[in-house]
Amino acid sequence: DAKTTQPTSMDCAEGRAANLPCNHSTISGNEYVYWYRQIHSQGPQYIIHGLKNNETNEMASLIITEDRKSSTLILPHATLRDTAVYYCIVRGDGSGGYQKVTFGIGTKLQVIP
Amino acid sequence: DAMVIQNPRYQVTQFGKPVTLSCSQTLNHNVMYWYQQKSSQAPKLLFHYYDKDFNNEADTPDNFQSRRPNTSFCFLDIRSPGLGDAAMYLCATSTLRFGETGEQFFGPGTRLTVL
Repeated sequence: DAKTTQPTSMDCAEGRAANLPCNHSTISGNEYVYWYRQIHSQGPQYIIHGLKNNETNEMASLIITEDRKSSTLILPHATLRDTAVYYCIVRGDGSGGYQKVTFGIGTKLQVIP
Repeated sequence: DAMVIQNPRYQVTQFGKPVTLSCSQTLNHNVMYWYQQKSSQAPKLLFHYYDKDFNNEADTPDNFQSRRPNTSFCFLDIRSPGLGDAAMYLCATSTLRFGETGEQFFGPGTRLTVL
């Protein structure tokens, strides 16, 4: 699986959009970008994933650059409950059938009132 | 609601005393994972099961073992816990069914303290 690089921490004002960047310059053609988050003392939670196209669901939007070497997770209206560590993960789909996920350090997002 | 359940949420054991952590799922997923997460670190995969097929990570110590008696249950056995094994242990599941997102569903974790 390709390696990802994320900023260690970020702050965002409550109600504003939180834009979390991720660099995955060594991503290969069949690898997806996944985002998870982990609220303090809880298990990680899936947010969204994508391959080439931008994706949106009820939680967030995922913008992937055309060359797929980086992506941005957007939380459109951050709330205090969005304070968490956000993990960007690149994973080959069905690689060996095991869908192994390797977590990096992630970005600690602090939403400020 | 379908979910991943871990018991207990908090476990205290003594140095060298075997301990077992349990995980159950109602999602009927064929893949189950165990992660170790130490304070301020990212989760680290220990091993996973694809159905009954056990897959150990290369750097997982022999002290850690796992059992999966059926689809719903998976156990993590630590044969002789050391102080360095104090951590949060996370269980997760996923499925390979066509059309699924491929996401992993995590339980709330068991926090292990070694005295």
